[in-house]
Amino acid sequence: QKEVEQDPGPLSVPEGAIVSLNCTYSNSAFQYFMWYRQYSRKGPELLMYTYSSGNKEDGRFTAQVDKSSKYISLFIRDSQPSDSATYLCATYEGAQKLVFGQGTRLTINP
Amino acid sequence: DTAVSQTPKYLVTQMGNDKSIKCEQNLGHDTMYWYKQDSKKFLKIMFSYNNKELIINETVPNRFSPKSPDKAHLNLHINSLELGDSAVYFCASSQGFDTQYFGPGTRLTVL
Repeated sequence: QKEVEQDPGPLSVPEGAIVSLNCTYSNSAFQYFMWYRQYSRKGPELLMYTYSSGNKEDGRFTAQVDKSSKYISLFIRDSQPSDSATYLCATYEGAQKLVFGQGTRLTINP
Repeated sequence: DTAVSQTPKYLVTQMGNDKSIKCEQNLGHDTMYWYKQDSKKFLKIMFSYNNKELIINETVPNRFSPKSPDKAHLNLHINSLELGDSAVYFCASSQGFDTQYFGPGTRLTVL
């Protein structure tokens, strides 16, 4: 079983829709959870991170962690064509060792 | 003023050749990493160095050898390239446990 599982999609939604991206993880000891955004032919960039359970909001983006079900989510409100990218969830397995989900390819259609 | 840079951006080579990818960061970070991203976009860590010392060495064929001449540089040398080595290789850096910043990637194609 992979440490982090993510549906690769692709996911295509109209502009303005609310997008929900999800991952599950295997180890209940994981504490830090991150969402990276990767535009085509670019390196991943950190979008948001959360520690332990709860929600974190940054503009149109909300990251949510449910430790009881080992489920992490990223919500994008009022989605824009510029949000079209691959979104990767990640967590630390040991110090400094990031493990990633497979990434979900998202397209926002104008 | 690119934070993490890699050269070359594209690398096309024949099976059996030896090649190197270079990485430099100007963020003053003490830790650098190499990741491999396969055709399905799965991103997996290969190595990490902290202050020129190897910290993480994942299950990677010993044809891959990282070298860190100083804490701002981490190079990746690959011997006897195979078809399965075709991927995008990303360098990243961080200050300790903090956010990892990724380079633009090197797209390696082995023919």
